[in-house]
Amino acid sequence: AQSVAQPEDQVNVAEGNPLTVKCTYSVSGNPYLFWYVQYPNRGLQFLLKYITGDNLVKGSYGFEAEFNKSQTSFHLKKPSALVSDSALYFCAVRVMFSGNTPLVFGKGTRLSVIA
Amino acid sequence: DVKVTQSSRYLVKRTGEKVFLECVQDMDHENMFWYRQDPGLGLRLIYFSYDVKMKEKGDIPEGYSVSREKKERFSLILESASTNQTSMYLCASSLEGSSTDTQYFGPGTRLTVL
Repeated sequence: AQSVAQPEDQVNVAEGNPLTVKCTYSVSGNPYLFWYVQYPNRGLQFLLKYITGDNLVKGSYGFEAEFNKSQTSFHLKKPSALVSDSALYFCAVRVMFSGNTPLVFGKGTRLSVIA
Repeated sequence: DVKVTQSSRYLVKRTGEKVFLECVQDMDHENMFWYRQDPGLGLRLIYFSYDVKMKEKGDIPEGYSVSREKKERFSLILESASTNQTSMYLCASSLEGSSTDTQYFGPGTRLTVL
């Protein structure tokens, strides 16, 4: 069975500081990993995904994520946080070669960037 | 750009009513999904569909049914709404059968059952 853990319900960071939103996964096989963001009263918006190749993946709005196979992690990062980054962030996983099975999501982490 | 639309942003219904939530995508995607989102529980999969007239149960199908008569439209039906179905409902679609596919989400419908 696949699962994703986002160990922090809430992350607070000052504007201009680097931010990290943590994600760990558990799958039988190799993973494809995704990050989504949800702004208030909106649907989920795709940020980035790891498929293969370079472990550092760059996505929208200056976000990046690093795949670490030994630690089974896929943490989301940004060098300098903006107040507008305040939102709910979801990590998701699908097993490689599993066809188009639905993504399995974590419970989300609320990021609050304080001016 | 992929566009997934949902028929209502906000909906208020009474206990026992039959409720239809509609989702339409405009990118000829094969696969469509219904999730519900609750605080502290994240997204939970209700039903999904790989093709017209096909459906698969997700993790929490009880109390729900779905219909996919046309490729672009996927409807979620609450046969007899109950207060514990008050939630945010999110529809998503994806292109085809690759495990690298991205799911694209609609804006959500916030349903309140009184």
